[in-house]
Amino acid sequence: EAEVAQSPRYKITEKSQAVAFWCDPISGHATLYWYRQILGQGPELLVQFQDESVVDDSQLPKDRFSAERLKGVDSTLKIQPAELGDSAMYLCASSPGNSGGAMGADTQYFGPGTRLTVL
Amino acid sequence: AQSVTQLGSHVSVSEGALVLLRCNYSSSVPPYLFWYVQYPNQGLQLLLKYTSAATLVKGINGFEAEFKKSETSFHLTKPSAHMSDAAEYFCAYTGGFKTIFGAGTRLFVKA
Repeated sequence: EAEVAQSPRYKITEKSQAVAFWCDPISGHATLYWYRQILGQGPELLVQFQDESVVDDSQLPKDRFSAERLKGVDSTLKIQPAELGDSAMYLCASSPGNSGGAMGADTQYFGPGTRLTVL
Repeated sequence: AQSVTQLGSHVSVSEGALVLLRCNYSSSVPPYLFWYVQYPNQGLQLLLKYTSAATLVKGINGFEAEFKKSETSFHLTKPSAHMSDAAEYFCAYTGGFKTIFGAGTRLFVKA
């Protein structure tokens, strides 16, 4: 069964350093999501791509976070510089994204996540 | 504003007992509603979803949920809890393109 791949699984860094996370969605999935999940809370959408275009990045702290999906396939999320409050699980998900107006009905398939600890 | 509220951050049941996890949403547009399960240090996995077809939705592992528009609810149930059901459960709502997750309910199952 196809899965969403993420790396690394765990990352420990010191504040003010740069970190990057990678996500490879299920083949053929047009929509890719990055979520941040703080311990004890639900996932919060950071950025959503439709192919290589950003659909929603309203919750992405753009002064330090950036995301790209250059060829509409895999994606990278970067934080520079990292802050203590960035410690969280970063989840990537993908969905087919070909349902037209019913895209909201798409099931999102999640990767295992990257747990970031900022010291 | 759109929101999802899960009543009870922790729910504890005995093995074999009924599981009931509550979810209410607020939205001005017809919703798509989902329940996801998350095991420790893993991503989320879809249990079931409501997409405006049948109001009673059956999912995996014996779970089901009923969409009640008048109550703006989408509660998750399972007739008989199993030890393997112990996990975190998230209710999610999608209106338009954006998905909003509830804060989650951790289910404990006692032997």
